[in-house]
Amino acid sequence: QKEVEQNSGPLSVPEGAIASLNCTYSDRGSQSFFWYRQYSGKSPELIMSIYSNGDKEDGRFTAQLNKASQYVSLLIRDSQPSDSATYLCAVNKERDSNYQLIWGAGTKLIIKP
Amino acid sequence: EAQVTQNPRYLITVTGKKLTVTCSQNMNHEYMSWYRQDPGLGLRQIYYSMNVEVTDKGDVPEGYKVSRKEKRNFPLILESPSPNQTSLYFCASRDSDSTPGANVLTFGAGSRLTVL
Repeated sequence: QKEVEQNSGPLSVPEGAIASLNCTYSDRGSQSFFWYRQYSGKSPELIMSIYSNGDKEDGRFTAQLNKASQYVSLLIRDSQPSDSATYLCAVNKERDSNYQLIWGAGTKLIIKP
Repeated sequence: EAQVTQNPRYLITVTGKKLTVTCSQNMNHEYMSWYRQDPGLGLRQIYYSMNVEVTDKGDVPEGYKVSRKEKRNFPLILESPSPNQTSLYFCASRDSDSTPGANVLTFGAGSRLTVL
């Protein structure tokens, strides 16, 4: 089992709909969770970070964390073609005092006009 | 502008020819890291550095070297490149503060390396 798992996709969503991206992790002691967006050939950029169970909203983006079930999700409301990208989930390593991150392989999201 | 700068952005080389990919950040970050990204495998950490003169192996360090003689620079050295090192490389930096909210990486634009 990979330490951080994401469905590779592609996930195809109509413009204006809600895109739902999921990530599961294996390290039960992880405390920090991140969603990065990466356009093709570009570097990752931070979209959301979440540290506590529940929902965190920022504009059209909502991150959801459930530590008991060991999953974190990203919802994108009113999806736009510009949201088409690969979304990377990253989780900190519990026992790493240097706060290293473990990365999922990413989910490719396609927003269809 | 706060940024991480990598050079070269694109490089085609041949097996065995030593090369260096430079990385520089202007944010006074203590932590710097190198990743490689391959299709289907996501980001894999090569080496990281918590501060000047302190470096440590990541998940895939074989075939790579790094040095951290100054806070702002963290070059990646391939002493004898091989075709399996063909990849997209990213340098990243952040503050060393490990409290939640501080562990946010800033990435360079990436360096696409092809080894023939």
